Amino acid sequence: DTGVSQNPRHKITKRGQNVTFRCDPISEHNRLYWYRQTLGQGPEFLTYFQNEAQLEKSRLLSDRFSAERPKGSFSTLEIQRTEQGDSAMYLCASSLTGSVGNTEAFFGQGTRLTVV
Amino acid sequence: SQELEQSPQSLIVQEGKNLTINCTSSKTLYGLYWYKQKYGEGLIFLMMLQKGGEEKSHEKITAKLDEKKQQSSLHITASQPSHAGIYLCGADALYNQGGKLIFGQGTELSVKP
Repeated sequence: DTGVSQNPRHKITKRGQNVTFRCDPISEHNRLYWYRQTLGQGPEFLTYFQNEAQLEKSRLLSDRFSAERPKGSFSTLEIQRTEQGDSAMYLCASSLTGSVGNTEAFFGQGTRLTVV
Repeated sequence: SQELEQSPQSLIVQEGKNLTINCTSSKTLYGLYWYKQKYGEGLIFLMMLQKGGEEKSHEKITAKLDEKKQQSSLHITASQPSHAGIYLCGADALYNQGGKLIFGQGTELSVKP
C-alpha cells in the first residue's frame, strides 16, 4: 500500500456544476477524514467516518456537500451547485483507531478545486 | 473552542542557520502533531507529542511540548533547502484519536542557499 490516494489531483469547474472527489485510504485504516484548506490557512476539519459510519460533520459542511464511505473502504466527497467560495484544496486522511492503539493521520496529496 | 496560534507566520533563513517555530494552544493539548506541507501538496507527518515535557527528534528536527501542554516548539538545526515548506501544528480535537485535528495557520519556511 502506497498511502492515501486522492483523485483527481486538480479540478476546474464552472460555478453551479457538481463535482465529486474520491479518496482511497490506507487499506487497514478504519477512520477516514476530509479537510478543506484555503491559501495561507491550515486545514479545516469537514467530516469523518469510522468504517462506513459518518460520525461527525462540521458546520462548514453545508447542505451542498455530501460524503459517503460505502463498505468502509474508499470515500467520495460531492459538492453540488459549486460556488466560487468552494475553491480550495480538499484533503483526505486516514488513521487506525482501536484497542491496540491509535495511529496518527496520514494525508493524501489533496484535490485542488477551482470554481470559475 | 480550541485554537492554535503559530509564530512566526513566515520565516526566511540562510542555509545552515537554526530556527524555531512556535505553536500555542488556547487549551490544554491532548496530543500535538507537527506536519510539513510542500506548496500544493498533502501533509507529511513529522512528530507527535503527548506528554508534558516530552521532546522528540528526527534527523535535524526537534519538537518539544511544554510541561503545561499548551505550547510546542519545532526547532531545526543547520537548516537546508530541503527543509523549506509549510509547517503545521495540529491538536487532537478528540482525546487520543490522532485524526480529527485542529490546525494552526501554518508557518512558511524559506531557506536561502
